[in-house]
Amino acid sequence: EAEVAQSPRYKITEKSQAVAFWCDPISGHATLYWYRQILGQGPELLVQFQDESVVDDSQLPKDRFSAERLKGVDSTLKIQPAELGDSAMYLCASSLELRPGLAENEQFFGPGTRLTVL
Amino acid sequence: AQKITQTQPGMFVQEKEAVTLDCTYDTSDPSYGLFWYKQPSSGEMIFLIYQGSYDQQNATEGRYSLNFQKARKSANLVISASQLGDSAMYFCAMRELGTGNQFYFGTGTSLTVIP
Repeated sequence: EAEVAQSPRYKITEKSQAVAFWCDPISGHATLYWYRQILGQGPELLVQFQDESVVDDSQLPKDRFSAERLKGVDSTLKIQPAELGDSAMYLCASSLELRPGLAENEQFFGPGTRLTVL
Repeated sequence: AQKITQTQPGMFVQEKEAVTLDCTYDTSDPSYGLFWYKQPSSGEMIFLIYQGSYDQQNATEGRYSLNFQKARKSANLVISASQLGDSAMYFCAMRELGTGNQFYFGTGTSLTVIP
């Protein structure tokens, strides 16, 4: 069964260091999402791609976060410099483009990267 | 206004009993989808069930069913015959056709199944 791949699964870093997370969506999924999930809360959308284009990055802290999906397939999320408050789970998800009535409308999530900033 | 509201931070249910997790939503878009996800302590998000805004019947998937009341804008998840493995966080989410595929998540409900 096709899955969304993410790496690394765990990352521990010191504040002010740079970190990068990688995501490979399910083949054929045009839409890719990056979420941040703080413990005990729901996922918060950071950035959404449609193919290689950014559709929504309104919640992305652009002074330190960047995301790219150069060839419209896999994606990288970077934080530089990391801060203590960035400690969270970073989830990547992908989906087919939304079309009414299609059962395949759900997002498929990767296992996540758990980031700890010391 | 919150797009998705889950008012139950924590719920307990006896094993083999049924439990209802509440979800209300807010949208003016006539075309939308409602989803429930399960997140065990390991962290992965597992899709459970989907309901489209134009679907006439409530969605069912095995022990999961969605009680869709469109006029009240509610989409409660019903888990029948609870199992110990159902203990997890449950998130309700919505996707609107008019907002470019963005998903809105609720704050989640923590379900604990008691033996």
